Amino acid sequence: GENVGLHLPTLSVQEGDNSIINCAYSNSASDYFIWYKQESGKGPQFIIDIRSNMDKRQGQRVTVLLNKTVKHLSLQIAATQPGDSAVYFCAENRRGTSGSRLTFGEGTQLTVNP
Amino acid sequence: DARVTQTPRHKVTEMGQEVTMRCQPILGHNTVFWYRQTMMQGLELLAYFRNRAPLDDSGMPKDRFSAEMPDATLATLKIQPSEPRDSAVYFCASGLVGGNQPQHFGDGTRLSIL
Repeated sequence: GENVGLHLPTLSVQEGDNSIINCAYSNSASDYFIWYKQESGKGPQFIIDIRSNMDKRQGQRVTVLLNKTVKHLSLQIAATQPGDSAVYFCAENRRGTSGSRLTFGEGTQLTVNP
Repeated sequence: DARVTQTPRHKVTEMGQEVTMRCQPILGHNTVFWYRQTMMQGLELLAYFRNRAPLDDSGMPKDRFSAEMPDATLATLKIQPSEPRDSAVYFCASGLVGGNQPQHFGDGTRLSIL
């Protein structure tokens, strides 16, 4: 069929619930990971990062978990609020011959219902 | 808060015209990135600079796109001649090299080529 664009994975939650957004990365040599939040009409906004020598990092209402064995990253948002509605991207930092660069996942659309 | 500033925020022009997008990175940041975001391809890296020198522009169509950093406070992305397929949102991001640091994004230039 015709490709009409990316079909973002979606997650719909009730206000006050906890949200978990998942991401699989591809390069076992990636050493640094970032979660970004993108609201409509704005650029990606940094939320939290984690280095590959860690498996968990906590921020304000957010926690990132890293499982290097299965190359999986997750973002947990506690007590989700309507203002958390956005597209969330994970990004992995890959080192190459011309320096490091970020590679972004496809994104997950989070909708918070009041 | 320090921010990456992009101008113009919106640009509509006819195919064949030259388009110039500008970016002011965060003061003190020594890496600058240009990305393109479309529904079809998601977020793609076009080019990046370290200390104003181009490090990688392999993601950029060289025949019509050019990226420069005339000084540390200005990065430009030019398209000449523009084509309808160039319609997208173009983001600039800046960061610090070394030690795994996040990139910080501007709010983008929404480009429409008619």
